[in-house]
Amino acid sequence: DAKTTQPPSMDCAEGRAANLPCNHSTISGNEYVYWYRQIHSQGPQYIIHGLKNNETNEMASLIITEDRKSSTLILPHATLRDTAVYYCIPRPGSARQLTFGSGTQLTVLP
Amino acid sequence: NAGVTQTPKFRILKIGQSMTLQCTQDMNHNYMYWYRQDPGMGLKLIYYSVGAGITDKGEVPNGYNVSRSTTEDFPLRLELAAPSQTSVYFCASTITGGNQPQHFGDGTRLSIL
Repeated sequence: DAKTTQPPSMDCAEGRAANLPCNHSTISGNEYVYWYRQIHSQGPQYIIHGLKNNETNEMASLIITEDRKSSTLILPHATLRDTAVYYCIPRPGSARQLTFGSGTQLTVLP
Repeated sequence: NAGVTQTPKFRILKIGQSMTLQCTQDMNHNYMYWYRQDPGMGLKLIYYSVGAGITDKGEVPNGYNVSRSTTEDFPLRLELAAPSQTSVYFCASTITGGNQPQHFGDGTRLSIL
């Protein structure tokens, strides 16, 4: 599985967009990029995933670079409830598990 | 639609005791997983199942057993509890092993004293 690099922590002002970067330079062609978050030791919550194209859903947008070596998760209007650890996880479509790294602690400030 | 339900939410065990962590899902998912999360760390896979009657080991299976007699239920058994098994345990499920996301329960916080 591809290794990932995420900043250990980030702050964002409430109401502003939160842009969370992830480097996955060793990603292989069949690996999707998944984003999950974990709020205060609750179960991880799925946010979004993509392979090549940018994706958007009701929670967030995912921007994947053309060479697929990095991606950015965008929370368009961060709220205090978005404070969580965010995990970027490359995963082959056939993989049996998710491999969680250290993630980014996002703190949304009032 | 409750999703993935785990019981109990908290438990304290003495060394050498045994217990079963329960996990049930009502989404008719065929894949189910057990992870553990130690403080400040990411999740590690203990066991998984691709369907009723089929289970396989993950990254850290020692000290645990599982069974999958129905699609809905995937219990995790600790036979001889050890302090190293103090952790938060998460159950997850997904409809296939492909690119569909996994859905997680809220976890069981287990302390072995």
